[in-house]
Amino acid sequence: GQNIDQPTEMTATEGAIVQINCTYQTSGFNGLFWYQQHAGEAPTFLSYNVLDGLEEKGRFSSFLSRSKGYSYLLLKELQMKDSASYLCAVRDEINYGQNFVFGPGTRLSVLP
Amino acid sequence: GAVVSQHPSWVICKSGTSVKIECRSLDFQATTMFWYRQFPKQSLMLMATSNEGSKATYEQGVEKDKFLINHASLTLSTLTVTSAHPEDSSFYICSARDGGGKRYNEQFFGPGTRLTVL
Repeated sequence: GQNIDQPTEMTATEGAIVQINCTYQTSGFNGLFWYQQHAGEAPTFLSYNVLDGLEEKGRFSSFLSRSKGYSYLLLKELQMKDSASYLCAVRDEINYGQNFVFGPGTRLSVLP
Repeated sequence: GAVVSQHPSWVICKSGTSVKIECRSLDFQATTMFWYRQFPKQSLMLMATSNEGSKATYEQGVEKDKFLINHASLTLSTLTVTSAHPEDSSFYICSARDGGGKRYNEQFFGPGTRLTVL
């Protein structure tokens, strides 16, 4: 099976930097996705990593290490609107086809 | 581009009735659509994978006779919750995968449908 782990909750201050970690154990791997979800809304795509390294997109960056089964999402210059849940999802085509398997999500609270 | 809509956005129904939720890809053809359920403060749980023109694949523990899925076209999938009970109250989210082009890897999510069964 698959096991994806994230911290349940995090708190940070407006303007700061926060790193949300995700570890996974899967027998197959075809990419890791980060989604942002505000309460009561659908997830929105943030980033995709399939090769090792850092992908930067504005204030958000995502890092992947396949050998360690580890990824993180880095949020810079935090804003109040960044308060949301952040979902890590792994794609394993060998075992699960086109499905994503989502981690438990990390609820981030940004304080003034 | 890559917009997925869901209808209705929320619904309240009596126990024992059936509710149909529609998921549409508005500007692309979705060869595969996914149905998720999300309970409060929990992550998304995949219910089933729907491929156009074929039977849906249900995840373990999801009753296929209770959650009927129809993917009749490349832009529409429907989820019908039959004989709904209060424990079926949840946030139902669909997603769609673009069948080709550059947007191969992403899933695009609909806005979700909040179902409340009284």
